[in-house]
Amino acid sequence: AQRVTQPEKLLSVFKGAPVELKCNYSYSGSPELFWYVQYSRQRLQLLLRHISRESIKGFTADLNKGETSFHLKKPFAQEEDSAMYYCALQANTGNQFYFGTGTSLTVIP
Amino acid sequence: SAVISQKPSRDICQRGTSLTIQCQVDSQVTMMFWYRQQPGQSLTLIATANQGSEATYESGFVIDKFPISRPNLTFSTLTVSNMSPEDSSIYLCSASGWNTGELFFGEGSRLTVL
Repeated sequence: AQRVTQPEKLLSVFKGAPVELKCNYSYSGSPELFWYVQYSRQRLQLLLRHISRESIKGFTADLNKGETSFHLKKPFAQEEDSAMYYCALQANTGNQFYFGTGTSLTVIP
Repeated sequence: SAVISQKPSRDICQRGTSLTIQCQVDSQVTMMFWYRQQPGQSLTLIATANQGSEATYESGFVIDKFPISRPNLTFSTLTVSNMSPEDSSIYLCSASGWNTGELFFGEGSRLTVL
């Protein structure tokens, strides 16, 4: 069975400080990994996906298959980064998406 | 991209009644899913809505409690049957194309059962 774990429910950092949101997964196949974000009063939306290896809004995430991790990082946090972040895994059979419990990030001015 | 509309956006219901949530996508999509987000918790996948056939339910969810329809590529409904206060939650409709790797979400339907 698949599982996505985000160990931190809440995370606070000061503006300009580095931020890392942790995500670990377990899945028997080769999953696709994603980060989704939900800003206040907005719907959930895609932030980035591991296969594209791109940086979105200064965020990057590297898939580490050995550690089964997909941590989200940003070198300098901004106030507008305050949001709920969800790590997600897409199954390669059926294409379902499974989400972690989410991390609420607060960037302190 | 896809824009997803859900209704109702919120409702207050009595124990023992049923409520149907509608989900409309503005473009043809391959996959449609229903999630539940209980207070303070993550999104839990209820089922995959399959066009023209029975939905595929995740462990812990059954058709009798959460019947789902998907008559075409852009529309789906989720019914929450014989509701109890434990069913109070936000129900989210989502959709994606096959292997596009992006899931689009509706704004959710907030259900309160008294």
